[in-house]
Amino acid sequence: GENVEQHPSTLSVQEGDSAVIKCTYSDSASNYFPWYKQELGKRPQLIIDIRSNVGEKKDQRIAVTLNKTAKHFSLHITETQPEDSAVYFCAASRGTGTASKLTFGTGTRLQVTL
Amino acid sequence: EPEVTQTPSHQVTQMGQEVILRCVPISNHLYFYWYRQILGQKVEFLVSFYNNEISEKSEIFDDQFSVERPDGSNFTLKIRSTKLEDSAMYFCASRRPGAYEQYFGPGTRLTVT
Repeated sequence: GENVEQHPSTLSVQEGDSAVIKCTYSDSASNYFPWYKQELGKRPQLIIDIRSNVGEKKDQRIAVTLNKTAKHFSLHITETQPEDSAVYFCAASRGTGTASKLTFGTGTRLQVTL
Repeated sequence: EPEVTQTPSHQVTQMGQEVILRCVPISNHLYFYWYRQILGQKVEFLVSFYNNEISEKSEIFDDQFSVERPDGSNFTLKIRSTKLEDSAMYFCASRRPGAYEQYFGPGTRLTVT
């Protein structure tokens, strides 16, 4: 089955700096890669996603890149703010059919310091 | 904006007892999921459900677990005889047909003593 690895496990950046979180996946049939932000005690919140037919997607300060050949995808946060502090999870799935479970990475705790 | 809701927010039960966790998915969503998250760990898939059938299940989802859509709005997870290791946050998620995005509920924290 799918295995998603995520690095780093913790990341501390100064406010205004950029943060990059990287994930790899194993199942070549995976074609959907969402990123979730989870604040302490809260639900995972979808912040951005990418499908396998594109290589990059951007939404304001957040961008995601995908390298299908290498089975890598990354989350980039620019101009970080204290409210970006949270745990970020990457995930992979096979898409929209009945085989659509999300397989999550182990999470990255991002701390944005003043 | 519609959201997935879950009840209760926190459930404390004794080992060996049955628990039912409830979820109300977003109204036009037809694919439903249960995930769990042990404290400090990653989110793990348990089961997916579509058209009144289980679509996929993980190794965690053994005979002690069952799911049901008892009416047009609720989706439930039952654990027949809880164990200490079932203590976790249980998240329900839902997805509309043709879409990729899964939206998560606020979770039920299950504590087994």
